[in-house]
Amino acid sequence: QSALTQPASVSGSPGQSITISCTGTSSDVGSYNLVSWYQQHPGKAPKLMIYEVSKRPSGVSNRFSGSKSGNTASLTISGLQAEDEADYYCCSYAGSSTPVVFGGGTKLTVL
Amino acid sequence: EVQLVESGGGLVKPGGSLRLSCAASGFTFSSYSMNWVRQAPGKGLEWVSSISSSSSYIYYADSVKGRFTISRDNAKNSLYLQMNSLRAEDTAVYYCARDGAGIAAAGPPDYWGQGTLVTVSS
Repeated sequence: QSALTQPASVSGSPGQSITISCTGTSSDVGSYNLVSWYQQHPGKAPKLMIYEVSKRPSGVSNRFSGSKSGNTASLTISGLQAEDEADYYCCSYAGSSTPVVFGGGTKLTVL
Repeated sequence: EVQLVESGGGLVKPGGSLRLSCAASGFTFSSYSMNWVRQAPGKGLEWVSSISSSSSYIYYADSVKGRFTISRDNAKNSLYLQMNSLRAEDTAVYYCARDGAGIAAAGPPDYWGQGTLVTVSS
């Protein structure tokens, strides 16, 4: 099972919006609405930001939103803030043989 | 409050063995599938293994198949990862993570522990 494809880095200025893509295949992202996004600050554990493509856990800012079209999922962060600077990972259910697959991660820089 | 606390990491020589543990609290452990996910230094997240709530379904990444064994003890609210024939490329922080998808095979996690570092070096 290959990893999902994410851009290595994205950047934006405070107040702007950015979108991170996550491209999989018809065996994972394209087949299931079980895509999650995680935020990870250096030295910390990943934190769930989006689950089931577009749902936000309690306590996560509504500046974070998720969507999916075909084999590609996306995470959008609006109104960028300095504390959003982190690594972001997507993750999808991929069926019963290899149930979980992660993207390679995207480093977000807030300029 | 959901808590996952890993232990058992450390320095081990190539070819050696290590057993990781994850103590769970704050939820009904026996109702959830669980995952082990690792992160090599400076690298991304890599799924390692999953186990269903009753241990009926177990899955491994190709990179660890035949060397690692996942198990759980629902009476002790604990998850384990037995790692044998360790290699330098197994060096990573190992996270215990709860299934957030509510399916038997285990899907994308919701809660994560803080991780335990495993270093394989001579």
